[in-house]
Amino acid sequence: EIVLTQSPATLSLSPGERATLSCRASQSIGSYLAWYQQIPGQAPRLLIYDASNRATGIPARFSGSGSGTDFTLTISSLEPEDFAVYYCLQRSNWPRTFGQGTKVEIK
Amino acid sequence: QVTLRESGPALVKPTQTLTLTCTFSGFSLSSNGMCVMWIRQPPGMPLEWLALIDWDGDTYYSTSLKTRLTISEDTSKNQVVLTMTNMDPVDTAAYYCARTWNYGFPDYWGQGTLVSVSS
Repeated sequence: EIVLTQSPATLSLSPGERATLSCRASQSIGSYLAWYQQIPGQAPRLLIYDASNRATGIPARFSGSGSGTDFTLTISSLEPEDFAVYYCLQRSNWPRTFGQGTKVEIK
Repeated sequence: QVTLRESGPALVKPTQTLTLTCTFSGFSLSSNGMCVMWIRQPPGMPLEWLALIDWDGDTYYSTSLKTRLTISEDTSKNQVVLTMTNMDPVDTAAYYCARTWNYGFPDYWGQGTLVSVSS
């Protein structure tokens, strides 16, 4: 089973700052990684799929990069609505697995 | 317009079997490539992938939970059912169903249903 390790667990930033989130896979998963945003009380929302493709309607300030075992989600300039928890998900192998999440909080 | 909605009991007792239903619209599980999956999230905890059923009726399960899970479809009703046996308080969670295409990433999710396990 592929383990996804996200870091940091918590990121404390101010609006307008740049956020850089990491997801590391226990073995190579090619580009088969997605990023989700979850606001408390809501279902997750797909942001990025296949490592670097923005999902429909996702603002350009969200970008993804990486391949193999190391992946990054970057939010270029944080908006108030971006403070949330972010998860990565792999679809390279069965079973699918999620990372443990990174909380982006207001500093 | 794609929608999914989870339904089932809000409270189950330990050792009981949980049955959850995902009722969807805007797509057909009979269409080539279509899949529906279940994911859960204990309070304050990360997401956990549980199971997937595809358009052919093939199923895939979480390694740690596969002996307790069954995912099935009722194509005529546009429903996918998840059963989980031998429920325990640690299974208290919000349970989500979601759609994906061709084993990709889930793009449409239900709102989730909270299930508590307590005697």
